[in-house]
Amino acid sequence: DQQVKQNSPSLSVQEGRISILNCDYTNSMFDYFLWYKKYPAEGPTFLISISSIKDKNEDGRFTVFLNKSAKHLSLHIVPSQPGDSAVYFCAASARGSGGSNYKLTFGKGTLLTVNP
Amino acid sequence: GAVVSQHPSWVICKSGTSVKIECRSLDFQATTMFWYRQFPKQSLMLMATSNEGSKATYEQGVEKDKFLINHASLTLSTLTVTSAHPEDSSFYICSAREDWRTEAFFGQGTRLTVV
Repeated sequence: DQQVKQNSPSLSVQEGRISILNCDYTNSMFDYFLWYKKYPAEGPTFLISISSIKDKNEDGRFTVFLNKSAKHLSLHIVPSQPGDSAVYFCAASARGSGGSNYKLTFGKGTLLTVNP
Repeated sequence: GAVVSQHPSWVICKSGTSVKIECRSLDFQATTMFWYRQFPKQSLMLMATSNEGSKATYEQGVEKDKFLINHASLTLSTLTVTSAHPEDSSFYICSAREDWRTEAFFGQGTRLTVV
């Protein structure tokens, strides 16, 4: 049962344009969402996160939007750069469900290619 | 800050032998560490969660006697793949988090090949 879904396995955009990466979730207990970036043969790098009490969080070129009613979040990268080419993972955590482990549930990832 | 170091980055071993992978938090105290496995073109699958000084909690379907996890200190966790078989070949990644954070930080990963 895939609780976090990234339905687009790949996305290709032109340098300077906007990249929009989408993520859907099914577990209504998730209350914290994160985006990670991963290069081949490396561990994921934390990018940006958002709590369920917000609908937007911005950090430089990266903005994450959360639509709780639709159980959908998206990562916007503006402007896209060739160095942004990587696999992007969406992850979710149910912090309010008790316990302190804050396990992350990951989507399958979207390969972003930014063409020069 | 928040650097996690994983060692080795790759290892090749013979079938039937055991392999130990180390995960260290270099500049923070990791109250919780997580071990993941990633198959090609697949997501990161959580194998187990460990808290310092206590037994690891394994996800359903993960054999605890095969994948031994030790989290003896706040900066070090180890994963030992015992009696490795070719089907254990995979990319293993650890992550660690401090008590006050939700986001976890990942090591570089270990590519295990069992021949």
